[in-house]
Amino acid sequence: EILMTQSPDTLSVSPGERATLSCRASQSITSNLAWYQQKPGQPPRLLIYAASTRAAGVPARFSGSGSGTEFTLTISSLQSEDFAVYYCQQYHNWWTFGQGTRVQI
Amino acid sequence: QVQLVESGGGVVQPGGSLRLSCAASGFTFSSYSMHWVRQAPGKGLEWVAFIRSDASNEYYSDSVKGRFTISRDNSKNTLYLQMNRLGDEDTAVYYCAKVVRYSYDAFDVWGQGTTVTVS
Repeated sequence: EILMTQSPDTLSVSPGERATLSCRASQSITSNLAWYQQKPGQPPRLLIYAASTRAAGVPARFSGSGSGTEFTLTISSLQSEDFAVYYCQQYHNWWTFGQGTRVQI
Repeated sequence: QVQLVESGGGVVQPGGSLRLSCAASGFTFSSYSMHWVRQAPGKGLEWVAFIRSDASNEYYSDSVKGRFTISRDNSKNTLYLQMNRLGDEDTAVYYCAKVVRYSYDAFDVWGQGTTVTVS
């Protein structure tokens, strides 16, 4: 099983600031990585897939990078609606999620 | 619009069974592999089960293998999850999700979820 580890668990950021979230895979997953955003009481929303491709309708302030075992989600200038929990997911070998990073004010 | 709507959740006693449904609309259901994902209260996301578009393959997480069965009826645009021998650890919101394109792919459409409580 491929394990996904996100860091940090919680990120405190002010609106307008840049947020950088990390995700590490226990073995290479090439670029088979997705990022999701989840707000309370809502299902997850796909933000990024194939490590760096924005999903339809996702604002350009969200960007993804990385390959192999190290990945990053960057939110260039946090808006109020961006405060949420973010999950990475690998789909290289079956499907596993990271534990999540909470982005809070 | 593309939509997934889960149903069938509820309260069930330990050892009991439940069948979840996921009604799909707005896309060609028979062309896409589908998944079930769950989220225990206050916890993260856990992948549960996968079924290929033509139902030729199914995969399960170790935590549900042998107890849960994923299936689909492409004529009814509906995905199912039969859950047997339920335990406390199965209490969660259950989401169905559609792949972007390929079997091994991200999940681009999610339902609102249905809550299963084992108590």
